[in-house]
Amino acid sequence: GDSVTQMEGPVTLSEEAFLTINCTYTATGYPSLFWYVQYPGEGLQLLLKATKADDKGSNKGFEATYRKETTSFHLEKGSVQVSDSAVYFCALSSPRGNQFYFGTGTSLTVIP
Amino acid sequence: EAQVTQNPRYLITVTGKKLTVTCSQNMNHEYMSWYRQDPGLGLRQIYYSMNVEVTDKGDVPEGYKVSRKEKRNFPLILESPSPNQTSLYFCASGKRVLAGETSTDTQYFGPGTRLTVL
Repeated sequence: GDSVTQMEGPVTLSEEAFLTINCTYTATGYPSLFWYVQYPGEGLQLLLKATKADDKGSNKGFEATYRKETTSFHLEKGSVQVSDSAVYFCALSSPRGNQFYFGTGTSLTVIP
Repeated sequence: EAQVTQNPRYLITVTGKKLTVTCSQNMNHEYMSWYRQDPGLGLRQIYYSMNVEVTDKGDVPEGYKVSRKEKRNFPLILESPSPNQTSLYFCASGKRVLAGETSTDTQYFGPGTRLTVL
């Protein structure tokens, strides 16, 4: 069945460091791909998405490119800030758009 | 303000005592869904609904029921809760968008309900 595998955490970075969180997926057909962010004590918020191969999603300095050939959707940011500390989830939606699959989450802590 | 609300936010109960967690959205979304979040397992989909009176099982539906009598509400019912249902529960809603071969859109999540079953 469909699934998402993402990099285990926790990840600790210094402010202004480069961030990569790896995400790969298994799916039939053409899923849409998402990154969600969860701040402490809150629900998930959409960070970015991509709906077809080679699309690049971007928001708040974060980017991810839908790579069909490697079935990946890695999250990157060139310079992290303390305020980026959160848990990041990679997710996919089935082509019919009714079922969603999430990775296990990667906790990021950015230290000043 | 566009939002998804859940009640209660925190609940401690005992095994076998029926409970309902309510979920309501004010964005006129067709799609609604319930997830549970457990350490090391991420979010897993329990049930989803594509529209009023249309519900279907997600990955982990055992021990749960849902109903969708109105577009804005999607309650989660635990008829006989057990300790393995202790978890953090999230409700989400979204607008269906058809785009070629895909049908999907952003989900908006509620703040979560932390349930403990003793």
